[in-house]
Amino acid sequence: GAVVSQHPSRVICKSGTSVKIECRSLDFQATTMFWYRQFPKQSLMLMATSNEGSKATYEQGVEKDKFLINHASLTLSTLTVTSAHPEDSSFYICSAHGLAGNSYEQYFGPGTRLTVT
Amino acid sequence: RKEVEQDPGPFNVPEGATVAFNCTYSNSASQSFFWYRQDCRKEPKLLMSVYSSGNEDGRFTAQLNRASQYISLLIRDSKLSDSATYLCAVKGDSWGKFQFGAGTQVVVTP
Repeated sequence: GAVVSQHPSRVICKSGTSVKIECRSLDFQATTMFWYRQFPKQSLMLMATSNEGSKATYEQGVEKDKFLINHASLTLSTLTVTSAHPEDSSFYICSAHGLAGNSYEQYFGPGTRLTVT
Repeated sequence: RKEVEQDPGPFNVPEGATVAFNCTYSNSASQSFFWYRQDCRKEPKLLMSVYSSGNEDGRFTAQLNRASQYISLLIRDSKLSDSATYLCAVKGDSWGKFQFGAGTQVVVTP
């Protein structure tokens, strides 16, 4: 299957700082990338959808000024958690949607575990 | 009501037994359906797509019931390595936005 990478895989930061997470599609061009958040024992919650070169579309209840998304190229999207607080601690997963091989599918990155102290 | 609902389990299954569970969805216009497997603290990995006519991949069988708006996953001859959380995903439109269920935990015991 297609490969999507995320960096960093794990980050611990202090309350009030900002954290940037990168999501890259390594072997295909992702027309759309999605950012999810998953709290323990809960489902993946879609935070926002980003298309290359345009503004991200945020889901209801997700603050766009707190979770900044940049999709500068067809292979890279970044999520910046600004002024992080302990309640932002979660597992953040990106996925990339594009043509890989012969099929359009959604491929997940390995996730970033954010802990805000 | 959640858009996609699953029984959280856990389903405790003896090795070699069969286990099946469902996932219901509320949007009757949903177009595509998938089962993902998620291991603890890892990202979801696509297990199989679910086709209208039902489909099988080895020990795994997926079915779609549009009239009752649910999909199902059946695992035959369960292996210890099948222990995981199984997420269903429903795609409502053509450009890839998924809604996920909270997952069904399966624990296969020796």
